[in-house]
Amino acid sequence: ELKVEQNPLFLSMQEGKNYTIYCNYSTTSDRLYWYRQDPGKSLESLFVLLSNGAVKQEGRLMASLDTKARLSTLHITAAVHDLSATYFCAVVDQAGTALIFGKGTTLSVSS
Amino acid sequence: GAGVSQSPSNKVTEKGKDVELRCDPISGHTALYWYRQSLGQGLEFLIYFQGNSAPDKSGLPSDRFSAERTGGSVSTLTIQRTQQEDSAVYLCASSLFLGQPQHFGDGTRLSIL
Repeated sequence: ELKVEQNPLFLSMQEGKNYTIYCNYSTTSDRLYWYRQDPGKSLESLFVLLSNGAVKQEGRLMASLDTKARLSTLHITAAVHDLSATYFCAVVDQAGTALIFGKGTTLSVSS
Repeated sequence: GAGVSQSPSNKVTEKGKDVELRCDPISGHTALYWYRQSLGQGLEFLIYFQGNSAPDKSGLPSDRFSAERTGGSVSTLTIQRTQQEDSAVYLCASSLFLGQPQHFGDGTRLSIL
């Protein structure tokens, strides 16, 4: 059974500092997604990572994938208040249909 | 439509009643998915449709849950004899083809009194 673990689950960040969220998954998958969710809102797609060594960047967020270690990281550079939200990683199951989500990491940025 | 549309956005009902949740996918998307988000369980996959067909219903939490899709478009998720543990946000997503990136709707927040 495919399991996805994120850590930390909560992250209190200071403005201007750098942080990393980790996402481990238990079995091989060919796609990994990062989503953002604001309170009361739906899931906004941030990145899709398809291959080993893939790196994608958008603004202050950078995601990478190591398929051998079954690990993805989401790196936050110089945190700003606008980044406060819950971030989920999700891995496609072996049938290629369902997304299996981690429990999410709730980020809070304070000045 | 421009995005995945779900209705109602909020539903409050009494325990034991039946509820029907609706999802209108992005036009042209052949695959449709239902997920449930609750505090205790996080985000759980429920069921997917390829066209009108749902090949695997094993993700549905109990036999009180059913889903259908007609005309390759709108889908309904029905919960019979609702229980308090059914309280959650039910999210629908669609993708152009099965396995393509999924686009999520805003969800239906279901509260069972």
